[in-house]
Formats: sequence, C-alpha cells, structure tokens
Amino acid sequence: QSVLTQPPSVSGAPGQRVTISCTGSGSNIGAGYDVNWYQQLPGTAPKLLIYGNINRPSGVPDRFSGSESGTSASLAITGLQAEDEADYHCQSYDRSLSGSVFGGGTKLTVL
Amino acid sequence: EVQLLESGGGLVQPGGSLRLSCVASGFTFSSYAMSWVRQAPEKGLEWVSAISGSGGSTYYTDSVKGRFTISRDNSKNTLYLQMNSLRADDTAFYYCAKARPTTTFCLQDWGQGTLVTVSS
Repeated sequence: QSVLTQPPSVSGAPGQRVTISCTGSGSNIGAGYDVNWYQQLPGTAPKLLIYGNINRPSGVPDRFSGSESGTSASLAITGLQAEDEADYHCQSYDRSLSGSVFGGGTKLTVL
Repeated sequence: EVQLLESGGGLVQPGGSLRLSCVASGFTFSSYAMSWVRQAPEKGLEWVSAISGSGGSTYYTDSVKGRFTISRDNSKNTLYLQMNSLRADDTAFYYCAKARPTTTFCLQDWGQGTLVTVSS
C-alpha cells in the first residue's frame, strides 16, 4: 500500500488528453511538499518529467504539465502520442515518515 | 553528460549481505545528494535511502533501517549501499539516482539499475 495513491492504469487515443492523479495526505502533499513526476518507458530507468509540482526539465515537451491542489497532484498529457506509453510515478516527501515516498505508478496505454 | 553506473547486484540467500556501488561521472559528485531507489519486478518505485553531498546526513525508509547503510566516497565519485540481513522482499532492481541542485529527494538523473535477488 503506497502512501501516495495513483490509478493503476489510464488510457487514451492519440491526440487526446489524459490526466493521472496522485492523492496524498496532510503529512505529504497537503503539508506543502513538492510533487515530482517520473516517466518510465518499458525496460528503462525512470526519467524526471515534472519537478516542484509544475516545472519541466529541459527537453520535456510542453504537452506534459503538472498541478497541485490540497492533498492531491495531477499530471496532464495533451496531444497523446504512441511514444507516451509508459509508467508514470508521482513522488513527494512525507514528514511523518521523514523520507521520500512514491505512488504505486500508473500505466498509460495509448489506444 | 551525467553517468551513473551501478554494480554489485546478484543472487544472495536470505539473511545474507551485498554491497552495491554506483560510480558517478560528468558532474561534481560531492555537490549533490544521492539516493537509492528500488523496484520489485512488475511493481512501483520505492525510495530506499538518501545521503547528502558531504555524507553528513543520511535518510532511510523504515523497512531498511538497521539493515542497510548508505555511504559515499567523494574522492572516488562512488555511492554505496551496504545491505545486511537481506529478505525475500528486498528482491528488486536497485537504481542509483542524483538529486537536483539544492534538493535531496528530487531525482534528476538515474542509473540503469542492478538486480538483487534474495532467494534460497
């Protein structure tokens, strides 16, 4: 059972918009700790996609965006492409655990 | 270009020990916090441990406290994870990751991972 809750899977057709939620609590996201998102393509290491809730590292397309509100965060992907098919993981800090925590991961399928 | 190369994984019996290493290049190693993150087969990511750039501060997830020790040798640009009293549920790919500047847990660069299998 992960401290941060993500849907196990989402799907969308090419060109569509999808969102992935990440639900935490008052000891992590709700306490104001940043949420980061990682993309993990099949058989590869994770890659930082969004940091500090809303920021994209250099090279990440602006089709990817992050948001945060209350005890939850979301990753939105617009203009879905086949290459976006991957696992997406959210991450934050939890003050009760005094350490970092990840969500369970969401598998995105491009139909 | 940042490169992180893990090694030391393998098959170990329950109760055994392993030491993972991660050799870093392409950046000033001592200036960045580093983490170990693991991923059991077909499962999500689990943060395991982190260490500050100087090595003076360390952090662990509860399930490995008292069994795992993170350390670094800044003169060798190398990160370590000493794993003792290994259990079957420690079986996973173990990734070494470099934090973003001035952060501890935001992981900007990742190695390719090394597989640890705990089984009799």
